[in-house]
Amino acid sequence: SQQGEEDPQALSIQEGENATMNCSYKTSINNLQWYRQNSGRGLVHLILIRSNEREKHSGRLRVTLDTSKKSSSLLITASRAADTASYFCATDLGYSTLTFGKGTMLLVSP
Amino acid sequence: NAGVTQTPKFRVLKTGQSMTLLCAQDMNHEYMYWYRQDPGMGLRLIHYSVGEGTTAKGEVPDGYNVSRLKKQNFLLGLESAAPSQTSVYFCASSYPLQRGRFEQFFGPGTRLTVL
Repeated sequence: SQQGEEDPQALSIQEGENATMNCSYKTSINNLQWYRQNSGRGLVHLILIRSNEREKHSGRLRVTLDTSKKSSSLLITASRAADTASYFCATDLGYSTLTFGKGTMLLVSP
Repeated sequence: NAGVTQTPKFRVLKTGQSMTLLCAQDMNHEYMYWYRQDPGMGLRLIHYSVGEGTTAKGEVPDGYNVSRLKKQNFLLGLESAAPSQTSVYFCASSYPLQRGRFEQFFGPGTRLTVL
C-alpha cells in the first residue's frame, strides 16, 4: 500500500505563479523527501525534511512538515516552464527503503 | 562520474522469454534498489540490497530475481516474462543509513514491453 499520497493529482498554472502540492502519509517517519521527474526521465532528489523539522527552504522550494497531521507540502515559488514535471513525496521509515506516493503532475504554461 | 546507469534503455519481450536488466553505479553506494513505475501507481519497490552479496524483497517481488555480486552492480532478472511486467524499471542507489544521507540517486530507466 502507498505510504504517501500527493494532492492534487494534477496542477496547471501560469509562469510566475506559485505551485503548492501536498503529501499525506500514514505512519511515523524518519524523514520525508520530495523528488522531481521530468517526462521519460529518472527521479531527481529535491529536498529532505527530517521528522523534527517543521520547515525547510532550498532556492525557490519551501517544504513544511506537520507530523501531528501526518502531512507535508511543497511550495514552488515563481514557477517557470522548466518546472513542468511530476513531483513525488517519499517517506523514510528508517529501514533503508523509501515509499513513494503516486505523484502530482505540474504543468507550468508560459 | 556517470552516476547510475541502466542497460538496456528499451526492450520488447515475448511472453515466457527471460532477460536481465543491469544497473551500475560509480558512487560507491552501499544500497541499491529496483523499482517499477506504472501509470497512476507511482514507484513500487521490487527488490533492494544493502550491500554486496545481500538482497531483500520489496513490495512487489513476485516474478523477479536479483543479484548483487559486485558492489557497483545490481541485476534484475525476469525468468519468464508476463504482460503484467510491462513497465518502466528504475534503479537507484544510496549511502548507508550510518552516513546520515538518505536521498536516493536514480538511473534513467528501462522501458520494457512484454507482448
